[in-house]
Amino acid sequence: GGIITQTPKFLIGQEGQKLTLKCQQNFNHDTMYWYRQDSGKGLRLIYYSITENDLQKGDLSEGYDASREKKSSFSLTVTSAQKNEMAVFLCASSIDRGPSGNTLYFGEGSRLIVV
Amino acid sequence: GQQVQQSPASLVLQEGENAELQCNFSSTATQLQWFYQSPGGSLVSLLSNPSGTKHTGRLTSTTVTKERRSSLHISSSQTTDSGTYLCASDSNYQLIWGSGTKLIIKP
Repeated sequence: GGIITQTPKFLIGQEGQKLTLKCQQNFNHDTMYWYRQDSGKGLRLIYYSITENDLQKGDLSEGYDASREKKSSFSLTVTSAQKNEMAVFLCASSIDRGPSGNTLYFGEGSRLIVV
Repeated sequence: GQQVQQSPASLVLQEGENAELQCNFSSTATQLQWFYQSPGGSLVSLLSNPSGTKHTGRLTSTTVTKERRSSLHISSSQTTDSGTYLCASDSNYQLIWGSGTKLIIKP
């Protein structure tokens, strides 16, 4: 089986700071995703990537950058951290993104804390 | 765009009781997936069921596409079933997520 590793588990930064989350997967999946989950709410898509060097914006991309440097890794940058975006960030991967019911595999999540 | 509503928001049951969770979606969907999120936060896929009925272990999902609703039935609940159950449906190749049902199973 494979695994998705997110680092760091907790990311603490100051307001206005640029902060980066990293995600690695060893499933050899083509598609990777970054979601944000606010307390008590569903997941919202920030960015996804269907292959190396590809980037697609989700509904919540403003204020974020992403980078798919290689097939196995997908990083997310908060360009200017704000206190109202303290949330859990979840990385996921899937074989492809088509409407085929393919399974999403998730990392353990990274919690952003802005002080 | 697609909207996904889940009910109830929370559900408290005694161990051994059956749980019934509901998911309603606003537009025609080609995907309907149920996920489990543990109290620690990790998320796993339970079932993909865009239409009809599917079983896995103690879980049964029934999706009625025409009525834009799906249910997840958990039989003989156990304390380890406690957590949040999320459903997600598709819109333009993206999954749109409900807010989840928080399930608490008391011993």
